[in-house]
Amino acid sequence: DAGVIQSPRHEVTEMGQEVTLRCKPISGHNSLFWYRQTMMRGLELLIYFNNNVPIDDSGMPEDRFSAKMPNASFSTLKIQPSEPRDSAVYFCASSMGQGQTQYFGPGTRLLVL
Amino acid sequence: KNEVEQSPQNLTAQEGEFITINCSYSVGISALHWLQQHPGGGIVSLFMLSSGKKKHGRLIATINIQEKHSSLHITASHPRDSAVYICAVGGSQGNLIFGKGTKLSVKP
Repeated sequence: DAGVIQSPRHEVTEMGQEVTLRCKPISGHNSLFWYRQTMMRGLELLIYFNNNVPIDDSGMPEDRFSAKMPNASFSTLKIQPSEPRDSAVYFCASSMGQGQTQYFGPGTRLLVL
Repeated sequence: KNEVEQSPQNLTAQEGEFITINCSYSVGISALHWLQQHPGGGIVSLFMLSSGKKKHGRLIATINIQEKHSSLHITASHPRDSAVYICAVGGSQGNLIFGKGTKLSVKP
């Protein structure tokens, strides 16, 4: 299996632009998680899905952030408009079910200028 | 107070030394995870445990549910063990709350 796939791996954009991060979970996994990692705050859960349904989005910073999972093999995290404080590494992870081992993607390193 | 506290924050060891990283948590959990983040940034799940002890190679993880404490031990440490080790606690829904991580550097 290829593991969790994220794209792009790096993204540099200007403040105000829309950013879309993509994630393909491991085939057969029912749970998908979006995390953000910064030096100041470490790893934080943004949102997670079970069977394509968002379960908890309380970690989403504000309305500028949105996430979708239109099918079991694809999810997006969108930031519109982006701000410099959104600069971070965004990880996607998937697991076979609730409470199971999570497998992390390589992350997307986002820099908003 | 953070819900997940790790200690130490930074740790430098000589090759061959026995290493212990501690994690304390203050919330109810269904499982505790130990993760390893390599210098390149990739994150790997090392252990998921809800009781007792687990061993994988030179790595041992223990958990004491009553005391809300877990330890990660590395025996015969090696420079390739240099990484950030992150403790995370999981709720019944699978969501994780992370500690700040312990940066380990093993010198040859």
